[in-house]
Amino acid sequence: QVQLVQSGAEVKKPGASVKVSCKASGYTFTSSAMHWVRQAPGQGLEWMGWINVGDSNTKYSQKCQGRVTLTRDTSASTVYMELNSLRSEDTAVYYCAREFNGLDDYWGQGTLVTVSS
Amino acid sequence: QSVLTQPPSASGTPGQRVTISCSGSSSNIGRNYVYWYQQVPGTAPKVLIYRSNQRPSGVPDRFAGSKSGTSASLAISGLRSEDEADYYCAAWDDSLSGRLFGGGTKLTVL
Repeated sequence: QVQLVQSGAEVKKPGASVKVSCKASGYTFTSSAMHWVRQAPGQGLEWMGWINVGDSNTKYSQKCQGRVTLTRDTSASTVYMELNSLRSEDTAVYYCAREFNGLDDYWGQGTLVTVSS
Repeated sequence: QSVLTQPPSASGTPGQRVTISCSGSSSNIGRNYVYWYQQVPGTAPKVLIYRSNQRPSGVPDRFAGSKSGTSASLAISGLRSEDEADYYCAAWDDSLSGRLFGGGTKLTVL
């Protein structure tokens, strides 16, 4: 069965970087894309970006452009989301979500990133 | 501030039909598919509707999506207590070259 398992919670200081992983299993890893979505405490969903796992092509939201990088390791069936120059407003739960045939049908469990001095 | 506008709250009694709206523009809903998600607090979102009106396998036919012009709607019929959750619409925006989410609608089953 399809599973997306994300790395554990992180606590970072302002200005630092964080790298969250999303390990996929149960399907052909390179046949899909992966979205990253975050949710600040008590707030709505915010799309951060997307990576085509097959060819590594990426697209980022205008808000995150320049600070976020999505990469993938096909040998490990893992997608990574790195966010730089962290600020308090980046405190959120970060989700990866598989897109296959136009449908983001499986989501990771979420990773809480807390930015605090 | 979301470019896709949803009412912040909606409510209904068990068995009723409830509709949640999502208003956008020609650069998003007007020319792209709409998605609807259900999120129970503390859990990951779950897609209910994709490509504006398609239901993934496993989603009951009580949930129906529609789109007209630059607006979309999610209708939930035969309301049940377990439908109490937050609902989000989403669509690709050609001007922003990114996906947008609505601000979310909290559905209360009275």
